[in-house]
Amino acid sequence: DVKVTQSSRYLVKRTGEKVFLECVQDMDHENMFWYRQDPGLGLRLIYFSYDVKMKEKGDIPEGYSVSREKKERFSLILESASTNQTSMYLCASRYVRKGNYGYTFGSGTRLTVV
Amino acid sequence: DAKTTQPTSMDCAEGRAANLPCNHSTISGNEYVYWYRQIHSQGPQYIIHGLKNNETNEMASLIITEDRKSSTLILPHATLRDTAVYYCIVRVEDNQGGKLIFGQGTELSVKP
Repeated sequence: DVKVTQSSRYLVKRTGEKVFLECVQDMDHENMFWYRQDPGLGLRLIYFSYDVKMKEKGDIPEGYSVSREKKERFSLILESASTNQTSMYLCASRYVRKGNYGYTFGSGTRLTVV
Repeated sequence: DAKTTQPTSMDCAEGRAANLPCNHSTISGNEYVYWYRQIHSQGPQYIIHGLKNNETNEMASLIITEDRKSSTLILPHATLRDTAVYYCIVRVEDNQGGKLIFGQGTELSVKP
C-alpha cells in the first residue's frame, strides 16, 4: 500500500517561530497537497504541487510556503507561526492516470502555536 | 465552494445499511464523484468513486442518479468502526487533472 508519512503527529511551537512540516510518500506519486482542517470549516487546501519544483497556491496560502525539491517529499513552511495557524495539517499524494485520481492521506500533524 | 451538499449528521443501527445522500446539482459531464471518510484523529480514507454507473467495492456501493445530480453511498452492514465523517466530493478539473474540494461532510454515528 501507498504510504504518506508526516514527520510529527503532535507539535507545539511558539509564536514567531519558523515551522517545517514534512511529508514523504513512497510510491512515486506526481502530485502532493497540503490541507488544514479546523472544526466547522472542513478541509481547506493550502498549497499543492504537480511535480518536483512546482507549486501552486490553494485556497488559503497566506502565511505559508512550500518546498518540493524531491518527488517524494513535500514540505509546508510556516514562515512566522501565529496562533491562528493552530490546526490539524494533512498531507496527501495522488497518482495521475486517466479517469482515476486516487488520493492517499497521511495521518496528520496537530500543530499548536502558543 | 464545495459543489456538494450533504446532511450534517446521521445515525445508523449496527448491522443495518447506512445510506448517505449527496447532492451535486452543478456537476459537469466529465467530473467524477468521490467518497472519502475520516475516522477521528486520522487522515481521510478513500472509499469509492464513480462517473455515471453504479459502483461497488469491498467497502461500499455508490449509486448515482441518471441525471448525475445526486448520489448515495451505501454501507451494506454498518459496524461501530464505520463511525466517521463521510465526505462526498466532486473532482474539480484543472489543467493538471483536478483537485479535490472538501465540504463539511456527514457525521455518521453507528449505534449498537
